[in-house]
Amino acid sequence: NAGVMQNPRHLVRRRGQEARLRCSPMKGHSHVYWYRQLPEEGLKFMVYLQKENIIDESGMPKERFSAEFPKEGPSILRIQQVVRGDSAAYFCASSPELSGTLGNTIYFGEGSWLTVV
Amino acid sequence: GEDVEQSLFLSVREGDSSVINCTYTDSSSTYLYWYKQEPGAGLQLLTYIFSNMDMKQDQRLTVLLNKKDKHLSLRIADTQTGDSAIYFCAESGYQKVTFGTGTKLQVIP
Repeated sequence: NAGVMQNPRHLVRRRGQEARLRCSPMKGHSHVYWYRQLPEEGLKFMVYLQKENIIDESGMPKERFSAEFPKEGPSILRIQQVVRGDSAAYFCASSPELSGTLGNTIYFGEGSWLTVV
Repeated sequence: GEDVEQSLFLSVREGDSSVINCTYTDSSSTYLYWYKQEPGAGLQLLTYIFSNMDMKQDQRLTVLLNKKDKHLSLRIADTQTGDSAIYFCAESGYQKVTFGTGTKLQVIP
């Protein structure tokens, strides 16, 4: 049973380009979370999605960032017109149910490291 | 909103015990967690505790929860160099998990 798969693991983009980060949840998981870890900082919640629905996007920057979790295929975090401040590690996590109900059933991927030059 | 705070750095000698502390603000938290992150890697769930418990022990790890003071701690007995990492405290409320800033544990041989 493969874990949460993220790709690419490392991505370099020039300022103004677009970055797309993909996350395939664990088999049987229908809930996906994205977190951002800035250098020397903790993890900040960005967005919580179920299949075809955004449930909570309170941590997403208002501009340039979007996320989706289609019926088929991985969840995508899209960053348009990247700037240097977007350089960070982006972690995806998945769970089969609401994280607060079953506690330990949230699993993290290995992260995607975005560098904007 | 929810807030989770930790000290940023802890240094201990190999073989000593490490105690990493965390405070949180959400009184409706149902689970509290400790995650470990090694350099360049994702987060590994170490242990968790349900909010109606006050202690949980798992091999070298002991978690203490003071719900009244909203204080959580992780004790690592007989700390080894392989324990060097960043440790994140987290709490789960409705729909999402909120993380602290992480405590970087340095183990001195």
